[in-house]
Amino acid sequence: ETGVTQSPTHLIKTRGQQVTLRCSSQSGHNTVSWYQQALGQGPQFIFQYYREEENGRGNFPPRFSGLQFPNYSSELNVNALELDDSALYLCASSLQGSDTEAFFGQGTRLTVV
Amino acid sequence: AQSVTQLGSHVSVSEGALVLLRCNYSSSVPPYLFWYVQYPNQGLQLLLKYTTGATLVKGINGFEAEFKKSETSFHLTKPSAHMSDAAEYFCAVSKPNTGTASKLTFGTGTRLQVTL
Repeated sequence: ETGVTQSPTHLIKTRGQQVTLRCSSQSGHNTVSWYQQALGQGPQFIFQYYREEENGRGNFPPRFSGLQFPNYSSELNVNALELDDSALYLCASSLQGSDTEAFFGQGTRLTVV
Repeated sequence: AQSVTQLGSHVSVSEGALVLLRCNYSSSVPPYLFWYVQYPNQGLQLLLKYTTGATLVKGINGFEAEFKKSETSFHLTKPSAHMSDAAEYFCAVSKPNTGTASKLTFGTGTRLQVTL
């Protein structure tokens, strides 16, 4: 157990809908990163949040957005869902200013139909 | 830009045999290097990492990896495979000294199968 929890574990959405995924970071960690892992692929960095601000972004369109709250928990929002958004979404927490380990949650499996 | 190449999407070994999973990276500066393991329907668990210092790194579950700058490689090995090692393994890199432990670039993964 890493102490990083994600919810929900699975969900199914229809193309065009919007979805919100949630992540609670490990105690003491102030930074949250989100990754998309398509089937049979490695995780791809979406963005990172630190001090409630976006702190780096991968090659994802603006319809992927996020929030970080004062307690360091985070949300990933995806608007106008597309079939290709079907993937495992992973959250990782770490301590900014440190190059120590990032801890991953179990992920949320999103299926877009 | 950084990138990671994992040679072999599937590797099959017999129980008790040597495990060798290959990882090569491309980076403008020597990166930090990581190996993660993913079991079915699970998140990622760190096996080991290289940041600075000794180039041979020992991790959990008997795995180790050696950073070879001249070969831009960070291959993962285990002397004797166990059935419980069957999983997906990912090599990843990050930029050093930027506090970016969680801004990782991953390879496409290698699925390890262990047979009796």
